[in-house]
Amino acid sequence: DVKVTQSSRYLVKRTGEKVFLECVQDMDHENMFWYRQDPGLGLRLIYFSYDVKMKEKGDIPEGYSVSREKKERFSLILESASTNQTSMYLCASSFLWDSNQPQHFGDGTRLSIL
Amino acid sequence: SQQGEEDPQALSIQEGENATMNCSYKTSINNLQWYRQNSGRGLVHLILIRSNEREKHSGRLRVTLDTSKKSSSLLITASRAADTASYFCATDLSNAGGTSYGKLTFGQGTILTVHP
Repeated sequence: DVKVTQSSRYLVKRTGEKVFLECVQDMDHENMFWYRQDPGLGLRLIYFSYDVKMKEKGDIPEGYSVSREKKERFSLILESASTNQTSMYLCASSFLWDSNQPQHFGDGTRLSIL
Repeated sequence: SQQGEEDPQALSIQEGENATMNCSYKTSINNLQWYRQNSGRGLVHLILIRSNEREKHSGRLRVTLDTSKKSSSLLITASRAADTASYFCATDLSNAGGTSYGKLTFGQGTILTVHP
């Protein structure tokens, strides 16, 4: 089974801190995604990557950056955390060369910015 | 309205009843997918239906797709308390000759509560 592992289930940080959220997948997937999920807004794509060192902006990239130094790992970075970035963050991965394959999700990181 | 909108927003039924959730979308799709999310957890893939398919089954799940109406429905038969969760549809907008890199657009979900 595909396993997508997010480094923390719960995280509390302070305004202005630099925050790193880590995601690792074990299925050799090319695509990796970061979403945030907020009540009433569903899942919104922040960034995605289809190869090492490649990144593409999603729908809400402002205030975030990403890093993909190895195929299995995709990091989301909050450069200077703000309270409006308090949210549930979900990482997902999928195959690039077959668009009829699903995305596989991690369990999420619930991030609180105080 | 957004691509991939679910209806209803919330559904409450008794165990043993059937649950039907609907999804509408606006643009042409390559496929449509349904996911389930238990409270506080990640999403789990349920069914993928391609644009050239009309119906698909998986256990107690039945998904239909009507591309002329740009809509899909998810039917859960003989529901159980364990089916209580949020259900999301997601659309893949890639089409022949192009690639979306597998990007999905998610709806806001239907919250299903099944009472024992």
